[in-house]
Amino acid sequence: KQEVTQIPAALSVPEGENLVLNCSFTDSAIYNLQWFRQDPGKGLTSLLLIQSSQREQTSGRLNASLDKSSGRSTLYIAASQPGDSATYLCAVRLGTGFQKLVFGTGTRLLVSP
Amino acid sequence: NAGVTQTPKFRVLKTGQSMTLLCAQDMNHEYMYWYRQDPGMGLRLIHYSVGEGTTAKGEVPDGYNVSRLKKQNFLLGLESAAPSQTSVYFCASSPTRRSSYEQYFGPGTRLTVT
Repeated sequence: KQEVTQIPAALSVPEGENLVLNCSFTDSAIYNLQWFRQDPGKGLTSLLLIQSSQREQTSGRLNASLDKSSGRSTLYIAASQPGDSATYLCAVRLGTGFQKLVFGTGTRLLVSP
Repeated sequence: NAGVTQTPKFRVLKTGQSMTLLCAQDMNHEYMYWYRQDPGMGLRLIHYSVGEGTTAKGEVPDGYNVSRLKKQNFLLGLESAAPSQTSVYFCASSPTRRSSYEQYFGPGTRLTVT
């Protein structure tokens, strides 16, 4: 059974720091991995999607990497800002056709001014 | 495009009451999903649909029913609400293979059952 873990559960950093969020999964046979952002009381916003054949994806100050063989993904946030404060979730898709996403429980990030 | 919308945003029910949550998407997506989010447990799939007129059970379907009479709408029903159904409910939709099934989420419905 696929399990997704995100450590740490919470992270607090001062503005301007570069930071890394971690996501690990137990079964390396994934189709893709998606990183989401969730603001308090809001829905999930997709940030980046990495196919299993890719090593990384970039969007602005965000860079997500994938090491399928070791069952790990990282989300790198450069020059963090208070507006980055949110919960970050990763989720893996197991295959093509209908396959559910398996979610981690998230890392709650606080960036203080 | 409005994306994925959910109605209502908040609701309080008494045990035993019924209600329907409405999800609508304007992106012509084939797949639609209902999740619940509980503290410390992540998102769990309740029911899903791979196309108009189809529905299927997810991980935690007990106590819920769904219908997808129109491609753009996916309804989640609670026939007899229980306190264990207090949660935040999210609807999502995704296209099929050409976009790698990327999921788009609605803003959520916060339901409290007393």
